[in-house]
Amino acid sequence: NAGVTQTPKFQVLKTGQSMTLQCAQDMNHNSMYWYRQDPGMGLRLIYYSASEGTTDKGEVPNGYNVSRLNKREFSLRLESAAPSQTSVYFCASSNGRVQEKLFFGSGTQLSVL
Amino acid sequence: GDSVTQMEGPVTLSEEAFLTINCTYTATGYPSLFWYVQYPGEGLQLLLKATKADDKGSNKGFEATYRKETTSFHLEKGSVQVSDSAVYFCALTLYNNNDMRFGAGTRLTVKP
Repeated sequence: NAGVTQTPKFQVLKTGQSMTLQCAQDMNHNSMYWYRQDPGMGLRLIYYSASEGTTDKGEVPNGYNVSRLNKREFSLRLESAAPSQTSVYFCASSNGRVQEKLFFGSGTQLSVL
Repeated sequence: GDSVTQMEGPVTLSEEAFLTINCTYTATGYPSLFWYVQYPGEGLQLLLKATKADDKGSNKGFEATYRKETTSFHLEKGSVQVSDSAVYFCALTLYNNNDMRFGAGTRLTVKP
């Protein structure tokens, strides 16, 4: 049982480049989330999708776009990467609302030079 | 806004020592409270949770009690092991809000 799978695990970008982080879950969960983790700041919610076909902004959405491709997949896109987006990105899913248990992927470490 | 504040680390303990990691919260309503743990190279995992005042969450020897009067949810374990070395995150969410707010994390290192 893979749980939540994120790709890639590591990525280095130059300022202005674009990329998409992929996330897939095999638990038939309705809700999916993207967080970023920065030193001394814990995790902050970028976007979430409460169900297939819906997406909503979280605490720090600027500079990002998301797509809930189907129930399994939720991607995060950086259209024009900036050094301030250097972070560790985590995808998570839950069966219902966030108050239910969150299942996290192992993260993507992104560096923007 | 809704937030949690947890004690700064890092915390270094010897095996079998008693552990306390402090967490206090600020919320406009009645939050659910959580402790998540992140082992090296992995994503976060739910350790325990409590959904109302005076509830005690427990798992793997860890405990935390939801204290409304002191707005706290301190994590405790009576005897830590080397395998408990990880980063611990306190978090909260409100029922009508789909955003979980995390503390900054406390790194625990347990030495043999």
